[in-house]
Amino acid sequence: GAGVSQTPSNKVTEKGKYVELRCDPISGHTALYWYRQSLGQGPEFLIYFQGTGAADDSGLPNDRFFAVRPEGSVSTLKIQRTERGDSAVYLCASSLGHGDTQYFGPGTRLTVL
Amino acid sequence: AQSVTQLDSQVPVFEEAPVELRCNYSSSVSVYLFWYVQYPNQGLQLLLKYLSGSTLVKGINGFEAEFNKSQTSFHLRKPSVHISDTAEYFCAVSGEGFQKLVFGTGTRLLVSP
Repeated sequence: GAGVSQTPSNKVTEKGKYVELRCDPISGHTALYWYRQSLGQGPEFLIYFQGTGAADDSGLPNDRFFAVRPEGSVSTLKIQRTERGDSAVYLCASSLGHGDTQYFGPGTRLTVL
Repeated sequence: AQSVTQLDSQVPVFEEAPVELRCNYSSSVSVYLFWYVQYPNQGLQLLLKYLSGSTLVKGINGFEAEFNKSQTSFHLRKPSVHISDTAEYFCAVSGEGFQKLVFGTGTRLLVSP
């Protein structure tokens, strides 16, 4: 079956611009996670949704970052006033439910010039 | 809070040789441990996980790992590697609740003929 998909695969933007990154989880998965992977580092947790609500957003670095999942399926990570330090690969994962294996998408590579 | 240490950033090995990738964790609560593999230009894929029970865990592609609570380790092993095992390997830990994974910095396994 289809895995987790993320669009776009690559995004280049200028400092100060607004970007949206999309994640389509595996059908039926109620839990959805966002991670950020900087060059040479492991993924770092950003936010976790159970259904439509953000159950844990403790990993969001500041208030420029925001994520939504309005219908409990697709999620969008939104970054305002992008900075060069936001450049990274943004990973999305989903799981069938709380505590189940997380399946990762291929990521969106964000480059802020 | 949990943390993961992967001391080896890169491990070169010849084809058909055995390999061990080291992972040590730190946690004040019960942990659940995971190994993920990331092939070039692909998403993270789960190799194996330890939740409870037998401390020796077998995963896909001939990999196995042993949970050692006294040494706070979860080293990954394979008795005979293939060229196709060349990839980045990430160890991760999750606390009770499974709400997020905390990853190590990764170990790049380079298998040469």
